[in-house]
Amino acid sequence: QVQLQQWGAGLLKPSETLSLTCAASGGSFRNYYWSWIRQSPGKGLEWLGDINHSGVTTYNPSLQSRITISIDVSKNHFSLQLTSVTAADTALYFCARVSHPESWYFDLWGRGTLVTVSS
Amino acid sequence: EIVLTQSPGTLSLSPGERATLSCRASQSVFSRYLGWYQQIPGQAPRLLIYGASTRATDIPDRFNGSGSGTDFTLTISRLEPEDFAVYYCQQYGSSPSFGQGTKLEIK
Repeated sequence: QVQLQQWGAGLLKPSETLSLTCAASGGSFRNYYWSWIRQSPGKGLEWLGDINHSGVTTYNPSLQSRITISIDVSKNHFSLQLTSVTAADTALYFCARVSHPESWYFDLWGRGTLVTVSS
Repeated sequence: EIVLTQSPGTLSLSPGERATLSCRASQSVFSRYLGWYQQIPGQAPRLLIYGASTRATDIPDRFNGSGSGTDFTLTISRLEPEDFAVYYCQQYGSSPSFGQGTKLEIK
């Protein structure tokens, strides 16, 4: 059964860089897009961006200047970096698999990583 | 950016009753881009419906999605105790977005 396992630092200071990685175990890595989504009390569920196996990315315009999503197909990993974090970036961060092309949807989710930004 | 507005914010019903959840989009959404998710506290969202009306794997047939254009509906025909959760609609257009959620609580 395919699972997504995610990890990364959970406590950051303002201005630091958030870095998370997600690994897909089992199944085909190349046939999907891979996404990052966060959830906070104030903004609900927010899509951050996605990437395909070729490294083609699409980002939420509101984060365009701070976000980088990368992929390592050899390891079935993809990663999120968000620079210059502030308290507003405090959230539960999920990685997710995107099924396509007939319909597009998040069909598999990681368990989430709580990231807190505090001085 | 497409804004999804869900109603009601909270729905109080009893097990065995029928639940109707609404999702309205600020502009037309292709049905193949519309999904519904269930989130139980402490867990990640779980896909229920994709393509506006297709149940995901292992989702019971009491969950049904319908709608097109700007108006979509999730119906749960006979509520089971495990169905009380938060439900989100989501569109995967050029910039994916989620509704703010409907909390389904036990009356």
